[in-house]
Amino acid sequence: DAKTTQPNSMESNEEEPVHLPCNHSTISGTDYIHWYRQLPSQGPEYVIHGLTSNVNNRMASLAIAEDRKSSTLILHRATLRDAAVYYCILSSRGGTASKLTFGTGTRLQVTL
Amino acid sequence: EAQVTQNPRYLITVTGKKLTVTCSQNMNHEYMSWYRQDPGLGLRQIYYSMNVEVTDKGDVPEGYKVSRKEKRNFPLILESPSPNQTSLYFCASRSTGSYGYTFGSGTRLTVV
Repeated sequence: DAKTTQPNSMESNEEEPVHLPCNHSTISGTDYIHWYRQLPSQGPEYVIHGLTSNVNNRMASLAIAEDRKSSTLILHRATLRDAAVYYCILSSRGGTASKLTFGTGTRLQVTL
Repeated sequence: EAQVTQNPRYLITVTGKKLTVTCSQNMNHEYMSWYRQDPGLGLRQIYYSMNVEVTDKGDVPEGYKVSRKEKRNFPLILESPSPNQTSLYFCASRSTGSYGYTFGSGTRLTVV
């Protein structure tokens, strides 16, 4: 699987937007980009995924660069409950691969 | 409520004493998988199952066994646990064609 690179940690103020970057310069044409997050003392939680176009859902937005070598997870208004480790993952085989390869993710701190 | 249930949440055992960690999902998902999470190493896949009676090794299968006799259950068996299997374990499931996995809350295992 192609590798992703994320900052170790980021901070945000509550009620402000957060942009979490992910670099994946070796992404292949069939790799989907997935984002999961892991809240303290919980299992990972699916956030969003995409292939080429930007995607929105109730939790977040995913902006994918035109060359697909990077992407950004956008939380429109961070709350204290969004404090978590966010993982950017590439998934081969059309996005329904049997394995997710987790890196070390970005730890997001949200402050009042 | 749709969920993946793992039991027990916490377990302390001694080296060599066989144990089973149970995983059950109520979403009729075909895919199920086990991961372990260790500091600095992220989540690594142990075994996965694509459907009943179909299982395969992940990245770190040594010392573990699984079975998939029913669609809803996917137990993880440690025949002779060793201290290097002390870890946080997660079970996950998803349906065929779905992109998002649902994870359980985790089982923290300590082998002394």
